[in-house]
Amino acid sequence: AAGVIQSPRHLIKEKRETATLKCYPIPRHDTVYWYQQGPGQDPQFLISFYEKMQSDKGSIPDRFSAQQFSDYHSELNMSSLELGDSALYFCASSLEAVSPEQYFGPGTRLTVT
Amino acid sequence: QKEVEQNSGPLSVPEGAIASLNCTYSDRGSQSFFWYRQYSGKSPELIMFIYSNGDKEDGRFTAQLNKASQYVSLLIRDSQPSDSATYLCAVNWEYGNKLVFGAGTILRVKS
Repeated sequence: AAGVIQSPRHLIKEKRETATLKCYPIPRHDTVYWYQQGPGQDPQFLISFYEKMQSDKGSIPDRFSAQQFSDYHSELNMSSLELGDSALYFCASSLEAVSPEQYFGPGTRLTVT
Repeated sequence: QKEVEQNSGPLSVPEGAIASLNCTYSDRGSQSFFWYRQYSGKSPELIMFIYSNGDKEDGRFTAQLNKASQYVSLLIRDSQPSDSATYLCAVNWEYGNKLVFGAGTILRVKS
């Protein structure tokens, strides 16, 4: 079965640079979630989209923005990167009208130097 | 205090034994409860979810929910070394919304 696709899988950036992470949900899934997981921590919710509209917002810095496009893929844009942004970034998707189950992508490992 | 609490472990069990993982949560009209398995450096993998009081079984896994006591547990029967991972408990307080995770319990299955 098709899974969530994320790209790139690894990204190395310098401080103050910009990064763009992409997420392609499971086909027919209408909801996308972004989570950040720092070393030794549990995943923290950043933001979610349902049918291309922002549906919920968590502890996402103002330097970050995200959107969901007409084909349901989503992008997380991160500007003015800081060392503390180094983490695993996961995208998850669900079919909200059917089930609350969220399926996670493989993640993007962002390293800020 | 975190809204979802788990014992960080590590929990060590011998191969073939039953592993019991527990999770407590803050009462906010909680709706759905999830168990994920996460290997180091990998993404969380959904094991199962439960939303009604009682037991739910799927293969070697059984999830138990007790809303009155505000806890949810995961039993793994016939534990295998490949089950060694961090098990994350997550709660969804509103349908279709974010998951709030516990800190995870490290499980080690010794052969």
